[in-house]
Amino acid sequence: EVQLVETGGGLIQPGGSLRLSCAASGFTVSSNYMSWVRQAPGKGLEWVSVIYSGGSTYYADSVKGRFTISRDNSKNTLYLQMNSLRAEDTAVYYCARSPFDSSSYYFDYWGQGTLVTVSS
Amino acid sequence: SSELTQDPAVSVALGQTVRITCQGDSLRSYYASWYQQKPGQAPVLVIYGKNNRPSGIPDRFSGSSSGNTASLTITGAQAEDEADYYCNSRDSSGNHHVVFGGGTKLTVL
Repeated sequence: EVQLVETGGGLIQPGGSLRLSCAASGFTVSSNYMSWVRQAPGKGLEWVSVIYSGGSTYYADSVKGRFTISRDNSKNTLYLQMNSLRAEDTAVYYCARSPFDSSSYYFDYWGQGTLVTVSS
Repeated sequence: SSELTQDPAVSVALGQTVRITCQGDSLRSYYASWYQQKPGQAPVLVIYGKNNRPSGIPDRFSGSSSGNTASLTITGAQAEDEADYYCNSRDSSGNHHVVFGGGTKLTVL
């Protein structure tokens, strides 16, 4: 059974750093495209970052230069290092899996999400 | 970068058919995918690719596409279909980004 479990969220002051983890089971993280998607309170979904199976990484303009996506193949875990956090980064952060598909881009499994609150 | 546009809210009478649309230039190159999200829960994939349903998704959900518009159709809407629905696709500008629509709140009357 495929499972994604995020941890690491919490209350952090503006300018601070936080690292989110997403432990995967039932499949191999390094063989899939893995993304972080966030949702601010009462708002819609926003894609944050992706790491491809080959290791390439890409970021939304809103987080580029501040967030870093990575993975630990030995732990089958995805990470999101978030630096220079701002109030507008407050959101539930989901990790999600994307099977490779040349004609579409979809997320077939999602974690339960972890809440990050940036506030003084 | 690309954008996807959805109507903020749509309503349907119980048992009737409703279509939720998603517009954007990227949909001329890529199929949209659709997600259902209920309050306090993670999104659930309901349609992907040309018109594919993941295991466990009822066949009353279907997808279609024409030009720059993708549609999610629920035929015979049920009370449990009341939720937010989001579309997404790959950004067609070649930047490897992913885009989501703003979401549609579906009310089943």
